[in-house]
Amino acid sequence: GDSVTQMEGPVTLSEEAFLTINCTYTATGYPSLFWYVQYPGEGLQLLLKATKADDKGSNKGFEATYRKETTSFHLEKGSVQVSDSAVYFCALTKEAGTYKYIFGTGTRLKVLA
Amino acid sequence: DVKVTQSSRYLVKRTGEKVFLECVQDMDHENMFWYRQDPGLGLRLIYFSYDVKMKEKGDIPEGYSVSREKKERFSLILESASTNQTSMYLCASSSGDWGVPNYGYTFGSGTRLTVV
Repeated sequence: GDSVTQMEGPVTLSEEAFLTINCTYTATGYPSLFWYVQYPGEGLQLLLKATKADDKGSNKGFEATYRKETTSFHLEKGSVQVSDSAVYFCALTKEAGTYKYIFGTGTRLKVLA
Repeated sequence: DVKVTQSSRYLVKRTGEKVFLECVQDMDHENMFWYRQDPGLGLRLIYFSYDVKMKEKGDIPEGYSVSREKKERFSLILESASTNQTSMYLCASSSGDWGVPNYGYTFGSGTRLTVV
């Protein structure tokens, strides 16, 4: 079946370090891909999305490129801040026939000052 | 600002109680969802609804039911609460017609339920 695999956390970085959180997926057809972020004590917020191969989603300095050849959607940021500390979820949904998302298990990011 | 509002942030209930979790959205979205979030397991879909009075089971519906009498409101019901239902419950909504890519959820802030 369809699935999303994220790197295990927690990821601990110093402020201004480069961030990569890996996400790979298994899915038939042409899924749309998403990154959600969950700050402490809150629900999930959509961070960015990409709906077709080679699309790049970007928001708040974060980027991810939909790579169909490697079935990946890695999240990157050039310079993290303490305020980026959160849990990040990669997710997919299929093009048609379902409303359901498949979420990864989440990766906790801690940024130290 | 668009919103999904969950009625309670924290709840403590006793084993065997009937528990109602309420969710309201103000975006006129067709689709609404209930997830539970547990450490190491990520988000798991309990039920979803794509129209008023319509509901579909998700991946873990056992022990739960739902109600959607109005478009903006989606309720999750724990028929007889048990300790293994202690969790964070997240409601979400989205627009999108059947067959059209879903462009993202709007989530509520969550209800942390403890069953003792």
